[in-house]
Amino acid sequence: GESVGLHLPTLSVQEGDNSIINCAYSNSASDYFIWYKQESGKGPQFIIDIRSNMDKRQGQRVTVLLNKTVKHLSLQIAATQPGDSAVYFCAESNTGNQFYFGTGTSLTVIP
Amino acid sequence: NAGVTQTPKFQVLKTGQSMTLQCAQDMNHNSMYWYRQDPGMGLRLIYYSASEGTTDKGEVPNGYNVSRLNKREFSLRLESAAPSQTSVYFCASSRQGYSTDTQYFGPGTRLTVL
Repeated sequence: GESVGLHLPTLSVQEGDNSIINCAYSNSASDYFIWYKQESGKGPQFIIDIRSNMDKRQGQRVTVLLNKTVKHLSLQIAATQPGDSAVYFCAESNTGNQFYFGTGTSLTVIP
Repeated sequence: NAGVTQTPKFQVLKTGQSMTLQCAQDMNHNSMYWYRQDPGMGLRLIYYSASEGTTDKGEVPNGYNVSRLNKREFSLRLESAAPSQTSVYFCASSRQGYSTDTQYFGPGTRLTVL
């Protein structure tokens, strides 16, 4: 069956440092991946996505890397700020309408 | 442009009571979804509606029913609430119901069943 997992449940970084959050997926047929940010008491917020025909995609201060060989996805946040503190989780999809979501990594930014 | 809105924000029910969670989107999206989020688990799909007039079961549909009232609104009903349905419920929408379309989420409804 499907499984989407994150390597680390918690991550603490100093303000200004770069953050890397990892995600493993098990379905080699997955072709679309999304990173979401969820702040306490709020709904998930779209950050960045990537399709399986790409290895890297950059946004504002964020980069997503996709390694299809080892079925691994990572989110890099440059110059991490206190406002980046949240739970981050990845989602993958393969067929039809259904996404599968990871459990999340809690990022804490230390001022 | 409010995006995806949900009501109520919080609800406490007794076992056996019924209630309907409301969701609306103003992005003219065709597809809408209901998820539940439980501690230590990823979001799990309850039901979805690929387009107005259609609904389909997701991963965990038991104990729930849905209605796609129109293109904007998608409601989730608990006919006889159980403590196992204590969770945070999120509604989402996407432009099309394809696997390559981003889903946008509402703020959630926090439900406790006693």
